[in-house]
Amino acid sequence: AQKITQTQPGMFVQEKEAVTLDCTYDTSDQSYGLFWYKQPSSGEMIFLIYQGSYDEQNATEGRYSLNFQKARKSANLVISASQLGDSAMYFCAMSGAGSYQLTFGKGTKLSVIP
Amino acid sequence: ETGVTQTPRHLVMGMTNKKSLKCEQHLGHNAMYWYKQSAKKPLELMFVYSLEERVENNSVPSRFSPECPNSSHLFLHLHTLQPEDSALYLCASSRLPSSSYNEQFFGPGTRLTVL
Repeated sequence: AQKITQTQPGMFVQEKEAVTLDCTYDTSDQSYGLFWYKQPSSGEMIFLIYQGSYDEQNATEGRYSLNFQKARKSANLVISASQLGDSAMYFCAMSGAGSYQLTFGKGTKLSVIP
Repeated sequence: ETGVTQTPRHLVMGMTNKKSLKCEQHLGHNAMYWYKQSAKKPLELMFVYSLEERVENNSVPSRFSPECPNSSHLFLHLHTLQPEDSALYLCASSRLPSSSYNEQFFGPGTRLTVL
């Protein structure tokens, strides 16, 4: 079984500052993938970034980077230079090798303050 | 249309009604999913279709009935729902999973309220 834990129900960040959203996971799979999604108030889940368990380098996509620490089983999302449009729910998720199942955490609500 | 679309976006129904949610993907994917998102709970995977065959059914009550007539369309038929079924229902699609990579693309969801 897989489990995702997001311990921060809500976070505030000043505009233009960086913010880190925490995610820890638990799995018995040797090969797995970690994902971050953004969900604005409109409801749509938007894919942000992916990290494979065998990837040696941390993933980056524009202002998003994933701080992957395999030994600690953590996959924190770092958003640099926060913008007002970044205010949303953020979900960490994982998938086992060849699996259809995406296991999601409960999410973190990020609010960017002008 | 691009990506994943869902209709209707909002639905209010009584417990004795029958309604259907529709999902369409324009991404050429072969797998489609229904998720339920209730307040303060993680997303719950309900059904998975791969190449138009159901591959997962996560203990969902029979009042929810999925249908996948082709790889681009997915329906969720609703019948005699309960108020606790009120939630955001999200549809997603993906390529067939390979290795550990299963990026799923989501639609905007249908906000369902059961009275």
